[in-house]
Amino acid sequence: GIQVEQSPPDLILQEGANSTLRCNFSDSVNNLQWFHQNPWGQLINLFYIPSGTKQNGRLSATTVATERYSLLYISSSQTTDSGVYFCAVDTKAAGNKLTFGGGTRVLVKP
Amino acid sequence: NAGVMQNPRHLVRRRGQEARLRCSPMKGHSHVYWYRQLPEEGLKFMVYLQKENIIDESGMPKERFSAEFPKEGPSILRIQQVVRGDSAAYFCASSPSLGPGGKNFGAGTRLSVL
Repeated sequence: GIQVEQSPPDLILQEGANSTLRCNFSDSVNNLQWFHQNPWGQLINLFYIPSGTKQNGRLSATTVATERYSLLYISSSQTTDSGVYFCAVDTKAAGNKLTFGGGTRVLVKP
Repeated sequence: NAGVMQNPRHLVRRRGQEARLRCSPMKGHSHVYWYRQLPEEGLKFMVYLQKENIIDESGMPKERFSAEFPKEGPSILRIQQVVRGDSAAYFCASSPSLGPGGKNFGAGTRLSVL
C-alpha cells in the first residue's frame, strides 16, 4: 500500500516563530488532507489539498503532486497551534480510504 | 448542518464486556469510515461502509469486531469481549460519494478497558 512519511516527528517552537511541516507519499493520490489533532484529541480538518496551494489565516499548504509531497506552513505560531499535525492521503488503488502519516508533534512555548 | 456525530465520547468497559460505538454521518453523506488510534500513534483504517453494505473491511481485526450501517440510523462499530488492547480512540468519518473531496471526521469515542 501507499507509504506516508511526515517530518520532523517533533517540533518545539517559540511563540511567534514560523515553521514548515513536510509530508512525502509514495504513489499518486486522489485526495490529500492535513489535520490538526488538538491536546483534547479532536481532529480538526485544516486543508483538502490534492494539488496546488491554499491559505487559511496563519496556515497555508502546498502540494506538489508530481513530486509526491505536501508542505504545511505555520506562520506566527501561537500556543493554540500545539498538538499533532497529520497528513492523510487516499488513492484509487486503495479504494477511497485514507492512509495517515505518523504525524508531527508540535509544541509552541509562550 | 451538523458535522459527523459520534457517541458516546467516552466509554469505559471491563474486560469481556461489549462495546458499541455509534456514528451519524453528515447530512447527505452515504459513505462511512471507521479508524482506530492507539495511544501515541496515528490513525489506522478499519472499515468502509455504505448504507447496508460493507465495502472494505481490510483493516478490521478478524475476531470480535464488526460494523454495520443500516438503512435507517447510525453506523455501529461493535467490539465483543473487549480486552485491554482495545483501549483506543475510535474515529468515524463520512463523505458524500466516491472521488474528489475531503472526508469529515467526528470527535471520536475514547474507549477505556479496565
